[in-house]
Amino acid sequence: KAGVTQTPRYLIKTRGQQVTLSCSPISGHRSVSWYQQTPGQGLQFLFEYFSETQRNKGNFPGRFSGRQFSNSRSEMNVSTLELGDSALYLCASSPAGGRGELEQYFGPGTRLTVT
Amino acid sequence: DQQVKQNSPSLSVQEGRISILNCDYTNSMFDYFLWYKKYPAEGPTFLISISSIKDKNEDGRFTVFLNKSAKHLSLHIVPSQPGDSAVYFCAATWIYNQGGKLIFGQGTELSVKP
Repeated sequence: KAGVTQTPRYLIKTRGQQVTLSCSPISGHRSVSWYQQTPGQGLQFLFEYFSETQRNKGNFPGRFSGRQFSNSRSEMNVSTLELGDSALYLCASSPAGGRGELEQYFGPGTRLTVT
Repeated sequence: DQQVKQNSPSLSVQEGRISILNCDYTNSMFDYFLWYKKYPAEGPTFLISISSIKDKNEDGRFTVFLNKSAKHLSLHIVPSQPGDSAVYFCAATWIYNQGGKLIFGQGTELSVKP
């Protein structure tokens, strides 16, 4: 099975712009979660989608949003970019239901740099 | 509020010896714990997990121990190999968590020297 794929891998944006990141989960996985990794804060949960519905959300401002499509692919959007949004954005997928849902499989991430 | 803490940012071990990585948590509601390994330029890779009804789980060279009363878990790697050199993250969650939220520690960078 192919793993979780994320596009693009690297991105440079300017303050005030917006950005959209894409994630394709492992085939058959219906849950997709997004995390932000920064040197100071570690890995922090952004939100999770299952069957096109957001089930859980972390403590991030409303500038961070996401969605999931019927094929389980997911996108996250960050509007009005700030310098502090520079980070590695990781997407993870897991199968639906039961304990397997807890063991998330991560993609390689998208490295976003805001200048 | 850091609910999951890995107090050692780095650890250096000789090849063939045991590596012990530690993790502490504060939220007593956590009942499922996971360890991930991360190489540079890659996403974290799931290693091993343990639920709170157990105190030990083994998978090959990797063993996770859970001490609920101390709110402490540890990952033992025996024997350590140079390919184990990576950043290790512990994570905690709730078994009946609807919504895939893992709470991660800050990570410990393990270096295994030949």
